[in-house]
Amino acid sequence: DTAVSQTPKYLVTQMGNDKSIKCEQNLGHDTMYWYKQDSKKFLKIMFSYNNKELIINETVPNRFSPKSPDKAHLNLHINSLELGDSAVYFCASSQRPRGGSDTQYFGPGTRLTVL
Amino acid sequence: RKEVEQDPGPFNVPEGATVAFNCTYSNSASQSFFWYRQDCRKEPKLLMSVYSSGNEDGRFTAQLNRASQYISLLIRDSKLSDSATYLCVAYGGATNKLIFGTGTLLAVQP
Repeated sequence: DTAVSQTPKYLVTQMGNDKSIKCEQNLGHDTMYWYKQDSKKFLKIMFSYNNKELIINETVPNRFSPKSPDKAHLNLHINSLELGDSAVYFCASSQRPRGGSDTQYFGPGTRLTVL
Repeated sequence: RKEVEQDPGPFNVPEGATVAFNCTYSNSASQSFFWYRQDCRKEPKLLMSVYSSGNEDGRFTAQLNRASQYISLLIRDSKLSDSATYLCVAYGGATNKLIFGTGTLLAVQP
C-alpha cells in the first residue's frame, strides 16, 4: 500500500514534447507538493496545493502547470520540454497543522530525461 | 548564498565510527528544522526533527543552535545501512515551505 505514488517512474522524451506526471496519495492529507531534484541533487519546491488550492508557486516557467482535481491527486503537465527540464520530480504530501510545519511524505520520484 | 548550506562530503567512515554533519541556515525567521535521509535513487524520508534542546533517537543525535543558525547531526556506531545522503532542512517561516540543503553523502565502509 504505497502512501504517495507517482506515474510514470521513468520518462524519456524529445525536446518540444508535452508530457504529464501523475501523483496520488492515500494518506488523507490536505497538502501536496511538487519538487524538482536536479543533477546536483538540489531539491527545490515548485508548487504546493492545499485542498485543491494553489498556495505556493515558485519561480517556475509557465510551461509547467500543476492541476489538482481533488485533494488526493496532484498532476504536473509540462509543455514544450527543454533539455534543462531533465531531473527527478518528486511529489509529496503532508497534513498541515494550523501553524508550523509537519512531516512531508515523498513519492518514489519520476526520472525525466529530455533528449 | 544558499539558504541552507551543508558540506557535500563524501564522508567515508569505517563501521562503528562516530560521524558528525553540520549545517547552517541564513533565514533567522526559520521556525522548524529537520534531517531527512535520501538513499541512492530513492525519495527523501524524514529521519528526525531538530529541537533547541537537542534530541536523540537511538544512535542519532540532532542539535540546533539558533544564535549561530547552526544545526548538527551526530551518528554513533555507524552501520553499513547508514550509507546515504543526509539532507538538512529548514521550514521557511512565513513562506510555509521546506528549504533543503544539498545534502551530505555518507559512505560507511566495512
